[in-house]
Amino acid sequence: SSELTQDPAVSVALGQTVRITCQGDTLRSYYASWYQQKPGQAPVLVMYGQDNRPSGIPDRFSGSSSGNTASLTITGARAEDEADYYCNSRDSSYDHLEVFGTGTKVTVL
Amino acid sequence: QLRLQESGPGLVKPSETLSLTCTVSGGSISSSVYYWGWIRHPPGKGLEWIGNMYYSGNNFYNPSLKSPVTISKDTSKNQFSLKLSSVTAADTAVYYCARGYRGMGFEFWGQGALVTVSS
Repeated sequence: SSELTQDPAVSVALGQTVRITCQGDTLRSYYASWYQQKPGQAPVLVMYGQDNRPSGIPDRFSGSSSGNTASLTITGARAEDEADYYCNSRDSSYDHLEVFGTGTKVTVL
Repeated sequence: QLRLQESGPGLVKPSETLSLTCTVSGGSISSSVYYWGWIRHPPGKGLEWIGNMYYSGNNFYNPSLKSPVTISKDTSKNQFSLKLSSVTAADTAVYYCARGYRGMGFEFWGQGALVTVSS
């Protein structure tokens, strides 16, 4: 089955920009979805497709994809953006299967 | 607004079957547009997809799971369920049910249910 790899942790100064990446061969065929998860809470979908934000997600979140890498960018990070972020996509070997990335802990300094 | 709520025992003994139910309100699980999934979050680890249920009746499961998985539905109650057989301590996790949409991912999630596997 496919794998999606993320950096375990990144940090960003308040108000600055941070890019979170997700790598995997399946991303050559499928877009990633991105989820934000805060401690003790359910994940929240923050990005899907090429660069689509669900209703209610601030426009400081943006997405992109190139080759085997998908990226989620937070422009002007706020304290409330501190969370774990997971990418998710279909499995390139069989598209009814899904896979989550390893997760990235974002710390806002 | 769509709501999903997981329910079931919080403690399961090793080798027994873990059973959870997701009750959906504000939308029908019989819609052909969406699919319904289970995802878990083991302590200290990342999210893990368990399986999806489709309107067609076809279900798909994570082949990496060691414990056999079954997802079923009760349309009369607007619920779908998860069964994980022969569980071990490695199946201890917060279990989430969620609604998915093709090309979007899981937009709506339940609050999660902690299940501990221990004797």
